[in-house]
Amino acid sequence: NAGVTQTPKFRVLKTGQSMTLLCAQDMNHEYMYWYRQDPGMGLRLIHYSVGEGTTAKGEVPDGYNVSRLKKQNFLLGLESAAPSQTSVYFCASSYSRVTQETQYFGPGTRLLVL
Amino acid sequence: DAKTTQPPSMDCAEGRAANLPCNHSTISGNEYVYWYRQIHSQGPQYIIHGLKNNETNEMASLIITEDRKSSTLILPHATLRDTAVYYCIVRAAGTSGTYKYIFGTGTRLKVLA
Repeated sequence: NAGVTQTPKFRVLKTGQSMTLLCAQDMNHEYMYWYRQDPGMGLRLIHYSVGEGTTAKGEVPDGYNVSRLKKQNFLLGLESAAPSQTSVYFCASSYSRVTQETQYFGPGTRLLVL
Repeated sequence: DAKTTQPPSMDCAEGRAANLPCNHSTISGNEYVYWYRQIHSQGPQYIIHGLKNNETNEMASLIITEDRKSSTLILPHATLRDTAVYYCIVRAAGTSGTYKYIFGTGTRLKVLA
């Protein structure tokens, strides 16, 4: 099993450009999450999904959109990138909502917005 | 949402036990304590979790006080590869009954040769 994979690993954008980050998991997990991590900070939840076709907002959703068209994939979109969105983005997945779910994280995508 | 407080940094000699404390004084009765670590800039890695009882697995032990207001993660024989940022997380309830993690800034553990 590859676990959780993220594409791309690194990207440089200019202000105003758009892009999509792809997260894929092969563990048949129901839940998927997108986090961002700024230097010296912990992770903050952007959006999450509790199943195919569903999405919900996390702590810092502004400026991002997500889609979960297939169970194994969770896409994070930036419609008009801003320098404040320079960060490392982590995707995670977990089996279910029951009390003892553990999240499995991907390796991260480093995004630089100039 | 229950918050956690951890010391920003700790050092530990290689081969010795590393004891990482965490305060979570506002924890609710049904909230679990989770520990994750992040090595360099990789994705966080699950270590252990618990509700009331002490827990042990192949990586670590988790000691939770009887009043559940604090806990300690123990790495019994720290190695250089255990150098990482360790996050203590109380899992908070989100919308629609889902649960989300609230990450703090963690404890940066440095294992010294």
